[in-house]
Amino acid sequence: GENVEQHPSTLSVQEGDSAVIKCTYSDSASNYFPWYKQELGKRPQLIIDIRSNVGEKKDQRIAVTLNKTAKHFSLHITETQPEDSAVYFCAARPYSGGGADGLTFGKGTHLIIQP
Amino acid sequence: KAGVTQTPRYLIKTRGQQVTLSCSPISGHRSVSWYQQTPGQGLQFLFEYFSETQRNKGNFPGRFSGRQFSNSRSEMNVSTLELGDSALYLCASRKNRESEAFFGQGTRLTVV
Repeated sequence: GENVEQHPSTLSVQEGDSAVIKCTYSDSASNYFPWYKQELGKRPQLIIDIRSNVGEKKDQRIAVTLNKTAKHFSLHITETQPEDSAVYFCAARPYSGGGADGLTFGKGTHLIIQP
Repeated sequence: KAGVTQTPRYLIKTRGQQVTLSCSPISGHRSVSWYQQTPGQGLQFLFEYFSETQRNKGNFPGRFSGRQFSNSRSEMNVSTLELGDSALYLCASRKNRESEAFFGQGTRLTVV
């Protein structure tokens, strides 16, 4: 089955700086890669996703890049703000003959924005 | 549009008991997936239902089961509870099997 590795487990950056979180996946059949943000005590919320036919996607201060050959994808947050502090999860979803399967998540990155 | 609703929000059960959790998906969504979240293992996929059929299953013992009704609402059952089953159980719904997943707030299960 799919295996997703996520690094780092904790990331502390100064407010206004950029943050980068990296994930690798193992199953070449995976074709969908979402990123979720989870604040303490709240549900995971989708912040951006990318499909395997695209190399990069941007949404304001957030961007995701995908390298299918190397099987890795990254989340980039620019001009970080205090409200960006949360745990971020990457995920991969394989596509089997019967349709898309469940999400396999990385272990999460605790992003801390220092004022 | 109402989001994904899970009930109850909190549960305390004793070892050996069984428990049933409920998930109501976003209106029009036909796929419901269940995940277990723990500090040690993170978010782990339990199973997915689409149009009342279980489509795939994660690596969990047979004590974990589920079902989906014709209105797309889903229930998850855990029998013979163990201390290690203490976790946040999240469900997520999708409009179809190719679209993005939206999570409910979860049910916090504590087994004592």
